[in-house]
Amino acid sequence: GQNIDQPTEMTATEGAIVQINCTYQTSGFNGLFWYQQHAGEAPTFLSYNVLDGLEEKGRFSSFLSRSKGYSYLLLKELQMKDSASYLCAVTLAGSYQLTFGKGTKLSVIP
Amino acid sequence: DTEVTQTPKHLVMGMTNKKSLKCEQHMGHRAMYWYKQKAKKPPELMFVYSYEKLSINESVPSRFSPECPNSSLLNLHLHALQPEDSALYLCASSSGLVRTDTQYFGPGTRLTVL
Repeated sequence: GQNIDQPTEMTATEGAIVQINCTYQTSGFNGLFWYQQHAGEAPTFLSYNVLDGLEEKGRFSSFLSRSKGYSYLLLKELQMKDSASYLCAVTLAGSYQLTFGKGTKLSVIP
Repeated sequence: DTEVTQTPKHLVMGMTNKKSLKCEQHMGHRAMYWYKQKAKKPPELMFVYSYEKLSINESVPSRFSPECPNSSLLNLHLHALQPEDSALYLCASSSGLVRTDTQYFGPGTRLTVL
């Protein structure tokens, strides 16, 4: 089976930096996605990591360590609109299936 | 353009009704997906269509019936649903060239079963 773990909730201050961690235990791991989901809306693609290392996209960066089964999403210069749930999801080699973690609800406060 | 559209946005139906959810994409994607998402839970995969053929059915009850009339359209036919089927139903698509390609989600249909 697969096990994906991320914190349930986090709070951070506007303008600050926050790191959301995700650990996973799967066999046949292929890659890891991060999605943002505002309440009542669809998940929006943020990043995809297949190889070890850091991928940077503007204020958002995502890191993957395949050997440690670990990823994080780093959000810089937090804005109020970043308040949302952040879902990490893994894919297995040769599979269409996207398996989500339970999501981390981030609250950005003034 | 990474747009997936879904209609209707909201749907309220009784347990004896028959209704359909529709999903459309014009990105040339050949893989399309239905997910179900309950409040404060992650999306759960229901069905995957690849090149208009049903590729995955995650043991979904027969009261949910998917259909892929062509490469741009995906329907979900609903019949004799239960109140516990109330959820956000999300459609997604991906290129289909590689199974692990990025999935792009539509805005969802919020379904309430009375």
